[in-house]
Amino acid sequence: KNEVEQSPQNLTAQEGEFITINCSYSVGISALHWLQQHPGGGIVSLFMLSSGKKKHGRLIATINIQEKHSSLHITASHPRDSAVYICAVGNSGGSNYKLTFGKGTLLTVNP
Amino acid sequence: DGGITQSPKYLFRKEGQNVTLSCEQNLNHDAMYWYRQDPGQGLRLIYYSQIVNDFQKGDIAEGYSVSREKKESFPLTVTSAQKNPTAFYLCASSSPPGLERNEQFFGPGTRLTVL
Repeated sequence: KNEVEQSPQNLTAQEGEFITINCSYSVGISALHWLQQHPGGGIVSLFMLSSGKKKHGRLIATINIQEKHSSLHITASHPRDSAVYICAVGNSGGSNYKLTFGKGTLLTVNP
Repeated sequence: DGGITQSPKYLFRKEGQNVTLSCEQNLNHDAMYWYRQDPGQGLRLIYYSQIVNDFQKGDIAEGYSVSREKKESFPLTVTSAQKNPTAFYLCASSSPPGLERNEQFFGPGTRLTVL
């Protein structure tokens, strides 16, 4: 069983829809990261959070430490949001901070 | 502009040849990382370096080597010992551990194809 599980694997939406991507993890973490990977491969960090909720524009990330679960929400989705969204959990082992990644969720937003 | 550069974007090599992937950052970050991405799998850590002249093996270091002679540079060599080198390689950097400073910044990646 992977330490980080994302669902769904693939998601297709119509422009304007509210999107939710889920991430569950099975290990203790220092922080959880949400990343966005566009076609072509470059990765951008969206959020890093260890509790509660963060918001940036139309993106909202929440985390429930007790339930070991995080969600990424996109409000008023747009075709430019089409990308792979990756959840990663971070652990500080001694002085080394390491990420364990989920397999990603491929989001396609149609106009 | 501050950021991470990787070159080249696409790289083709014949089987049995060593190849070196470049990663440079001007973010003044101490820590640098190399990841490998394969279709249908999450990113996996190859090597990481917390400071100049020091580096540690990640989860899949076999067949790879690195050096960290300068803070800005962390090149990755894919050797002929790597059984399945065709993949997308991503370099990242971050500040030392502590609060928000663990955020990792990624380069654009190098897609290596071994023929």
